[in-house]
Amino acid sequence: DQQVKQNSPSLSVQEGRISILNCDYTNSMFDYFLWYKKYPAEGPTFLISISSIKDKNEDGRFTVFLNKSAKHLSLHIVPSQPGDSAVYFCAAMTTDSWGKLQFGAGTQVVVTP
Amino acid sequence: EPEVTQTPSHQVTQMGQEVILRCVPISNHLYFYWYRQILGQKVEFLVSFYNNEISEKSEIFDDQFSVERPDGSNFTLKIRSTKLEDSAMYFCASYRSSMNTEAFFGQGTRLTVV
Repeated sequence: DQQVKQNSPSLSVQEGRISILNCDYTNSMFDYFLWYKKYPAEGPTFLISISSIKDKNEDGRFTVFLNKSAKHLSLHIVPSQPGDSAVYFCAAMTTDSWGKLQFGAGTQVVVTP
Repeated sequence: EPEVTQTPSHQVTQMGQEVILRCVPISNHLYFYWYRQILGQKVEFLVSFYNNEISEKSEIFDDQFSVERPDGSNFTLKIRSTKLEDSAMYFCASYRSSMNTEAFFGQGTRLTVV
């Protein structure tokens, strides 16, 4: 089941610069897209979400962009901080199966000083 | 800040044994989920639970698995006869309502079947 794909397993970025994480999906029925962050030995933590009727949602340093025609979304983190080093998961769900998240494989972000 | 609590953090069991993984969701949450992540693989949905019954389950969630909310606070996942391939991190998650997109996850239980 490859409905949600994160093709970059890792990303290294310098502190203060922008981190851009990408995610592609195949199911056009998805209504919500979410980003989760995960530290080792912890559960995923919700970061930000976007409805399929929007193309951008911003929350502090985090902005998610959605391109429905391309079935692509991205997460921008500006500026990147050392505490942002974690695994980031893209996830999606439909209204019919509310709460049932389809996850991508994750991208390991390392923010270097 | 309220949080979802899972116990134990690590469980080692022999193949064929029964295990019960426990979760205490946030008190005013109504929708409950179990996910698992096999090492090196994606986090995958197992089951959703609302109003004391299963709402949806994945193909993984076969007759060996069951869930219940025995006392209105704990939410448990039982695996009747564990297999080696059940070794994974199991995450419990909950939502306050169907209007929220934010799922709160527990820290996970690492299940090792030997």
